[in-house]
Amino acid sequence: DAGVIQSPRHEVTEMGQEVTLRCKPISGHDYLFWYRQTMMRGLELLIYFNNNVPIDDSGMPEDRFSAKMPNASFSTLKIQPSEPRDSAVYFCASSYRLLNEQYFGPGTRLTVT
Amino acid sequence: RKEVEQDPGPFNVPEGATVAFNCTYSNSASQSFFWYRQDCRKEPKLLMSVYSSGNEDGRFTAQLNRASQYISLLIRDSKLSDSATYLCVVNQFLAGTALIFGKGTTLSVSS
Repeated sequence: DAGVIQSPRHEVTEMGQEVTLRCKPISGHDYLFWYRQTMMRGLELLIYFNNNVPIDDSGMPEDRFSAKMPNASFSTLKIQPSEPRDSAVYFCASSYRLLNEQYFGPGTRLTVT
Repeated sequence: RKEVEQDPGPFNVPEGATVAFNCTYSNSASQSFFWYRQDCRKEPKLLMSVYSSGNEDGRFTAQLNRASQYISLLIRDSKLSDSATYLCVVNQFLAGTALIFGKGTTLSVSS
């Protein structure tokens, strides 16, 4: 298996622009997670899906953030409009069950200037 | 009290040393525990699960102490390649809640 795939790996954008991050989970995994990691706050769970349905989005910082999972093999995290404080590494992870080990993608390093 | 707490370190040790990290968790009903490893500018990767009776994988030993609500990771005969950040992961045992990641403990092994 190719593992969790994320794109792009790096994104540099200007404040106010829309940013879309993409993720392909491991085939057969029913759970998909989006995380944000910064030095100050560590790894924060933003939202997770079960069988393509959003279950817990309490970690989404504000309405500028949205996530979708139109099918079992694809998810997006969108930030509109982006702000400098959104600069972070965004990871996607997937797992077979909710409390099983999670497998992470390589992350997207986002810089908003 | 934070849900999962770790000493951020850094722990600086020479090659061959034995080093131990602890991680405390707040929910006494937690049942799933893991240690993840994260290299600089890389994604977290599962190092090992932590079982009630304790478990070992080569130079790595994980222990669970339910009474005191902490898990530990012991690394024997440290290698340069062990330099990384080690994340403690715990479940909250609340319906629908996912795993909680600690902020990690940084280990630096020097020659």
